[in-house]
Amino acid sequence: DGGITQSPKYLFRKEGQNVTLSCEQNLNHDAMYWYRQDPGQGLRLIYYSQIVNDFQKGDIAEGYSVSREKKESFPLTVTSAQKNPTAFYLCASSKAVELAGSQETQYFGPGTRLLVL
Amino acid sequence: AQKITQTQPGMFVQEKEAVTLDCTYDTSDQSYGLFWYKQPSSGEMIFLIYQGSYDEQNATEGRYSLNFQKARKSANLVISASQLGDSAMYFCAMREGVTGGYQKVTFGTGTKLQVIP
Repeated sequence: DGGITQSPKYLFRKEGQNVTLSCEQNLNHDAMYWYRQDPGQGLRLIYYSQIVNDFQKGDIAEGYSVSREKKESFPLTVTSAQKNPTAFYLCASSKAVELAGSQETQYFGPGTRLLVL
Repeated sequence: AQKITQTQPGMFVQEKEAVTLDCTYDTSDQSYGLFWYKQPSSGEMIFLIYQGSYDEQNATEGRYSLNFQKARKSANLVISASQLGDSAMYFCAMREGVTGGYQKVTFGTGTKLQVIP
């Protein structure tokens, strides 16, 4: 079945440590996204990528880094510079759209919950 | 100003009754899309329904319908015949701009719906 996988489901980070969250999709989507969700909040965009080897900062990119070496994969690294990393992280993908009114939606993975030890 | 406003942090509904979840939005674009997602306790975001700014008919998907009032900038979700499995967080989202295929999507803070037996 086509879809998006994220791993691990839970991740624990020690102070000063970098950790990487995995996101893989087999939907043949060009665009991929990383969102952060805090309790009682909506989703905030961290990074997005429209094509391989290209990515752009979202609204809250500080303390995070990404890569897009393959169309299927868009890993997110939470660096030690991110002082408040505890959150739920969601990866999404979508077809490229030309119009904001297009019906194409984003598809989401199951998420990774990051906790700080 | 908030792009997406969901004023109901929590809602209760009796099983088999209908419920309306409110969403207002703010944009100066003529072309935009409105989405509703369901997030159960497992965390995954599930796409429910879509409404394009140029669509004259209200969108419907099974038990879900979107009450779109463009002049009032509201896009309320109506769930008919509520089921216990409808208990979840519900997010309203808006796509305004499309740049090179990238979907700029803003999410509301969500409404927690609890269905009572």
